[in-house]
Amino acid sequence: RKEVEQDPGPFNVPEGATVAFNCTYSNSASQSFFWYRQDCRKEPKLLMSVYSSGNEDGRFTAQLNRASQYISLLIRDSKLSDSATYLCVVKHEFYFGSGTKLNVKP
Amino acid sequence: GAVVSQHPSWVICKSGTSVKIECRSLDFQATTMFWYRQFPKQSLMLMATSNEGSKATYEQGVEKDKFLINHASLTLSTLTVTSAHPEDSSFYICSAAALEGKNIQYFGAGTRLSVL
Repeated sequence: RKEVEQDPGPFNVPEGATVAFNCTYSNSASQSFFWYRQDCRKEPKLLMSVYSSGNEDGRFTAQLNRASQYISLLIRDSKLSDSATYLCVVKHEFYFGSGTKLNVKP
Repeated sequence: GAVVSQHPSWVICKSGTSVKIECRSLDFQATTMFWYRQFPKQSLMLMATSNEGSKATYEQGVEKDKFLINHASLTLSTLTVTSAHPEDSSFYICSAAALEGKNIQYFGAGTRLSVL
């Protein structure tokens, strides 16, 4: 079983749509959780950390559910520039999900 | 944010040669550095965790004699792909975690290795 599993992509959404990604993890001892964004042929860049109480940064909301062992990322009012692959990261040993590709269409 | 420099960004080599990739944390000290490999349209796969002054910890299935990691200082880790073959062609990315802070990794820009 994979340490971290993500929703398969790609998600093709129109501009302005709200889209949510989920990511489940297997190790209940995991301590830190992150969402990264990776543009094509570039390195991942930190989008936001995920806190137990949930946190929001502009159009992006991240949530953690320890009981069900998953994290989520919600993007509101999608922009063309949001098109990328979104990777969840679960730190027990920094395991990455396989990534969810988002395509925002005009 | 913190800066991690990875060099070279792209290398083409003949089969059988060895390639060294450097990863430097420029403005912070990194107690731990990580090496990942990413094949096209796939996620990053952790290859090894490198701690300054000690041997790297390799993930299952990663050959430690093939991928030599040296973490000589708190700001530099190197990955050497020995006797590279075409199947080693991939995107290699390093990351560094700061001594202090929030468990956040900062990534290098990656090295695209093409073995002919």
